[in-house]
Amino acid sequence: DTGVSQDPRHKITKRGQNVTFRCDPISEHNRLYWYRQTLGQGPEFLTYFQNEAQLEKSRLLSDRFSAERPKGSFSTLEIQRTEQGDSAMYLCASSFGPEGEQYFGPGTRLTVT
Amino acid sequence: GENVEQHPSTLSVQEGDSAVIKCTYSDSASNYFPWYKQELGKRPQLIIDIRSNVGEKKDQRIAVTLNKTAKHFSLHITETQPEDSAVYFCAFLYGNNRLAFGKGNQVVVIP
Repeated sequence: DTGVSQDPRHKITKRGQNVTFRCDPISEHNRLYWYRQTLGQGPEFLTYFQNEAQLEKSRLLSDRFSAERPKGSFSTLEIQRTEQGDSAMYLCASSFGPEGEQYFGPGTRLTVT
Repeated sequence: GENVEQHPSTLSVQEGDSAVIKCTYSDSASNYFPWYKQELGKRPQLIIDIRSNVGEKKDQRIAVTLNKTAKHFSLHITETQPEDSAVYFCAFLYGNNRLAFGKGNQVVVIP
């Protein structure tokens, strides 16, 4: 499967714990995006990378969130000291270039109890 | 801004009829407008997109039309089938970096 993949698919954690998600983009895509989706809403932009550089972060991304793409391939999104409001589907997408089509991964569903 | 509105929020159509969803966006500088289909529990799937140098694009039973002057674009699904039932999201490329999404339209195709 050469599509975008994400791991894990589901994560249940207790409030205050740290969690980390991984995204593997389509191999030739140099741009990687993180979005968050809550029930009944469209995806909301969080941050994006061009190669290994993180170029933009949404104001939705509090300082408890950090993302990396160390070698310009896979990316990780870490949430520290999780809160119940962090419960959502975290989607990753990738594209080739700024105006390339964005293809989404299956998402990681986070539940904070 | 990155506001986008979709109408109607829910649309029920009889199998075989056409469905039309309209989307209004805020950023007049945007030149890329995709539509995504999301089935329950699945990833958003890109089904068609349009760039501002054309006014209409078709792909089999689906088409998208763009009116840049009025800042709206529409998704047209003809000869609807039960498998077309899903949530459809319009989006536009904002700031040349990110997609801004609408809240989605629930389309229900009644067999």
